[in-house]
Amino acid sequence: NAGVTQTPKFQVLKTGQSMTLQCAQDMNHNSMYWYRQDPGMGLRLIYYSASEGTTDKGEVPNGYNVSRLNKREFSLRLESAAPSQTSVYFCASSLDRRETQYFGPGTRLLVL
Amino acid sequence: AQKITQTQPGMFVQEKEAVTLDCTYDTSDPSYGLFWYKQPSSGEMIFLIYQGSYDQQNATEGRYSLNFQKARKSANLVISASQLGDSAMYFCAMREGWNTGGFKTIFGAGTRLFVKA
Repeated sequence: NAGVTQTPKFQVLKTGQSMTLQCAQDMNHNSMYWYRQDPGMGLRLIYYSASEGTTDKGEVPNGYNVSRLNKREFSLRLESAAPSQTSVYFCASSLDRRETQYFGPGTRLLVL
Repeated sequence: AQKITQTQPGMFVQEKEAVTLDCTYDTSDPSYGLFWYKQPSSGEMIFLIYQGSYDQQNATEGRYSLNFQKARKSANLVISASQLGDSAMYFCAMREGWNTGGFKTIFGAGTRLFVKA
């Protein structure tokens, strides 16, 4: 099993450009999450999806949108990228809201 | 106020020795879960160990154990017989509202562990 996969692994954007980060899991998990990790800090929750068809804001949702395409896939979209969104983005999934989260390998995003 | 505090930005340990990474937390929720993750230089987040607030015994997973002291609100990670491959960043995390479906998982700032040969 691949677990949680993320694409792309690395991306450079110019300010104002848009892009979508893709995440997929093959563990039949119900819940999925998007985090960002900035230098010297732990992970901060951007958005989460408790189950297919639902999404909710986390700690730092501004500037992002998400789509839970189906049970497997949860995408994160930056409509107009800003330098403050330069970060490493992690997708995670868990069987349900109480269970351990398993993480993808991360996407390094640089916004110039 | 910090929900999760990891007071050791960096730690050194000699290979084959044990090391304790500190973590204190703050919550008024009676039900919560505590996690430790390892992040090696390659960047992925690897789940290590979990402790529920109602668990009577400290969690153990191989060389990892969690020293859970509920009254002190501490959840220290103990790594026994350190190996060079243990060199990494370690994050403590807490999920509140365990029984009510809380989704807020808060991460600490991390502790970087260096294992010396």
